[in-house]
Amino acid sequence: AQSVTQPDARVTVSEGASLQLRCKYSYFGTPYLFWYVQYPRQGLQLLLKYYPGDPVVQGVNGFEAEFSKSNSSFHLRKASVHWSDWAVYFCAVSRGTGGLSGKLTFGEGTQVTVIS
Amino acid sequence: DMKVTQMPRYLIKRMGENVLLECGQDMSHETMYWYRQDPGLGLQLIYISYDVDSNSEGDIPKGYRVSRKKREHFSLILDSAKTNQTSVYFCASSFLERNTLYFGEGSRLIVV
Repeated sequence: AQSVTQPDARVTVSEGASLQLRCKYSYFGTPYLFWYVQYPRQGLQLLLKYYPGDPVVQGVNGFEAEFSKSNSSFHLRKASVHWSDWAVYFCAVSRGTGGLSGKLTFGEGTQVTVIS
Repeated sequence: DMKVTQMPRYLIKRMGENVLLECGQDMSHETMYWYRQDPGLGLQLIYISYDVDSNSEGDIPKGYRVSRKKREHFSLILDSAKTNQTSVYFCASSFLERNTLYFGEGSRLIVV
């Protein structure tokens, strides 16, 4: 069965520093992968998505992620963190035929705290 | 306006009472979802609806039922709420065979 693991429950980063959030997936076949962000007291919003092709995908607000089939990973990166990036970040994999399905399996989430 | 609206946002119920959570969307999305979010567990899919009266169980449907009589509206019903149903419930919508889900702001339910 498919699964997503985010090994870091909490990450603290200084404003202006770089950020990497880890995501490991388990999926039989070609995965369709996503990063969603949840700002305080809000619903989830899509940051970026990976469809089979270029392993590096660009998202909103300077985020990018890199897919690695050999490592079963889809890590999220940002070069310079802003205080507004304080949020919970979820990695997800799509199930269903061809990967085009709204049935997502989510990871546990990583809380990012930004300090000055 | 591309919005998913959930009502109520906060709710406290006694064990055994019925609960109705409502969700609306203005994007004409065919597909709608109910997820619950618990600390350390991420989001878990309760039900998915592919259109009016076309509903399918998700991963944790036990104790829940849904109703979709209009494309823009999707309800989650808890008959006789239990304390372990205390959670934050998120509604989402998307176009069929599209993976971009639009989420509401959540409904926080406490069952005492």
